[in-house]
Amino acid sequence: EDQVTQSPEALRLQEGESSSLNCSYTVSGLRGLFWYRQDPGKGPEFLFTLYSAGEEKEKERLKATLTKKESFLHITAPKPEDSATYLCAPGGSNYKLTFGKGTLLTVNP
Amino acid sequence: NAGVTQTPKFRILKIGQSMTLQCTQDMNHNYMYWYRQDPGMGLKLIYYSVGAGITDKGEVPNGYNVSRSTTEDFPLRLELAAPSQTSVYFCASSYAPGVGTNEKLFFGSGTQLSVL
Repeated sequence: EDQVTQSPEALRLQEGESSSLNCSYTVSGLRGLFWYRQDPGKGPEFLFTLYSAGEEKEKERLKATLTKKESFLHITAPKPEDSATYLCAPGGSNYKLTFGKGTLLTVNP
Repeated sequence: NAGVTQTPKFRILKIGQSMTLQCTQDMNHNYMYWYRQDPGMGLKLIYYSVGAGITDKGEVPNGYNVSRSTTEDFPLRLELAAPSQTSVYFCASSYAPGVGTNEKLFFGSGTQLSVL
């Protein structure tokens, strides 16, 4: 059974304080690891897809990396508008996504 | 662009009532999905469709039914609502899985359902 664990469950940062979110996964036949951002009262919004170990992708203050067992979402010099829940979702060989519970990020000004 | 549109945004049902959650997309996507999101839990797949006339069960299909008569619409039917179906429901669509960035999901804004 595909499994995914995100840590920490919640993270509170000061504006400008860099940190990382973790996504550990066990998936049969990984075909892609997806990161989504979810704002309160809204649906998730796509951020990145990573396909192979060693791959990195960047968008503004966010950088996602992938190993064979984990993915990290690095947040550099965050701003209050980066506050959201970040969801990790590995996709297996069955072409379905398994979503983690998410990390609630709060960035204080 | 409207993207994925869900209605209603909020609904309160009594135990045993039935209702249909509406979902429509204007991106000509083949794949459509219904997820539920409970507090502190990950999104769980209820049903999905790979095209008009084709649907299949996800992880948590019990108590729900779907149909896909057109590419654009994918309604979710709740029969005999139960308190365990209290949740936020998200509809999503994608071009196709396993096709590079075309497999990313586009989500609607959700329907918050309470069964009392």
